[in-house]
Amino acid sequence: DAKTTQPPSMDCAEGRAANLPCNHSTISGNEYVYWYRQIHSQGPQYIIHGLKNNETNEMASLIITEDRKSSTLILPHATLRDTAVYYCIVRPRVETSGSRLTFGEGTQLTVNP
Amino acid sequence: SQTIHQWPATLVQPVGSPLSLECTVEGTSNPNLYWYRQAAGRGLQLLFYSVGIGQISSEVPQNLSASRPQDRQFILSSKKLLLSDSGFYLCAWSGSRWSYEQYFGPGTRLTVT
Repeated sequence: DAKTTQPPSMDCAEGRAANLPCNHSTISGNEYVYWYRQIHSQGPQYIIHGLKNNETNEMASLIITEDRKSSTLILPHATLRDTAVYYCIVRPRVETSGSRLTFGEGTQLTVNP
Repeated sequence: SQTIHQWPATLVQPVGSPLSLECTVEGTSNPNLYWYRQAAGRGLQLLFYSVGIGQISSEVPQNLSASRPQDRQFILSSKKLLLSDSGFYLCAWSGSRWSYEQYFGPGTRLTVT
């Protein structure tokens, strides 16, 4: 599995866009980029995933560089409730039994009023 | 829409006592089900996964066991708890196609004293 690198922490002002970077320079052709977040004392929450095209859903946008070696998760209008640890993981999008999620250290995003 | 329930939310148990944590999923059929544990300040550890009724795979040998008596019910058990069993236990489900898109329950915080 490709290794990912994220900054340990970031701050963002409420109402502004939060841009969370992730480096995955060893990503292979069949691997997707997934983003999860975990608010303190809650279970992780799936946010979005993508292969090479930019993706957008009701929660966030995912921008993947053309060489796929890095990506950015964008929360367009961050709120205080977006304060959480954000995890970027790279996995093949293949149906296999026992598809375990393993999170690294992630990025602690703090949204300030 | 799909929802996942876990109970209890918190639990304090003495060493050597039994454990039973329950997880149920609504709004989907034949989900893949997962039990994870998250120790304080650490990442997720997959404990068990199940792709169908009565089908359990164990990831980490330990004094825990899991059962899936019904399609949308997943139970985590122990006959005798150890201090090292303390942690945040999370149940998750995924659909039949994209296993890395997993949805987590609220978790059970277990403290073994």
